[in-house]
Amino acid sequence: AQTVTQSQPEMSVQEAETVTLSCTYDTSENNYYLFWYKQPPSRQMILVIRQEAYKQQNATENRFSVNFQKAAKSFSLKISDSQLGDTAMYFCAFMKLRSGGADGLTFGKGTHLIIQP
Amino acid sequence: DSGVTQTPKHLITATGQRVTLRCSPRSGDLSVYWYQQSLDQGLQFLIHYYNGEERAKGNILERFSAQQFPDLHSELNLSSLELGDSALYFCASSVDPGLNNSPLHFGNGTRLTVT
Repeated sequence: AQTVTQSQPEMSVQEAETVTLSCTYDTSENNYYLFWYKQPPSRQMILVIRQEAYKQQNATENRFSVNFQKAAKSFSLKISDSQLGDTAMYFCAFMKLRSGGADGLTFGKGTHLIIQP
Repeated sequence: DSGVTQTPKHLITATGQRVTLRCSPRSGDLSVYWYQQSLDQGLQFLIHYYNGEERAKGNILERFSAQQFPDLHSELNLSSLELGDSALYFCASSVDPGLNNSPLHFGNGTRLTVT
């Protein structure tokens, strides 16, 4: 079974700073996806960024980028120029791919990110 | 707005009762996933349906069941409810069960409170 570990229960940074959220995972699979989801106080789950394991290039989406280290099974999220609206719970998630479909996401426990004005 | 509709938004019921949660996926999405988010267990995958067929099972209790109908909407049935079943239940949909270039879209969830 896969496990996802987020070692930082809570982080707080000043607006406009850069912050990095850490995530490690454990799997014996070779084909999988990794995700970062954001859950603001509204409780909606919002996809931030996705990384395919077969891609060596790190994914980026505007101010969000990842550092994917497959051998180390590490998948950190960097948020540049942080904004007040980035305040939320951030979940790292893993999905195994198999023939015929995909299993569900395995989530970490989350990191509560607070952006201070 | 993700395009995934979940009803009801809130549900309060007593132990031992049975409830049905409903999910309408985004237009064109054939896959529906159910997740449970609780304080104790965090976010857990329950079950995945694709075009009416069950494709994968996660940590779904035997007291829980789901189905996906021909119009692609899905229902999650929870029976013999216990206090520990109180949680936020999410439905998510996607076009492709393998998620090849197909992101997962989450609904806003149904908040279930068992008293």
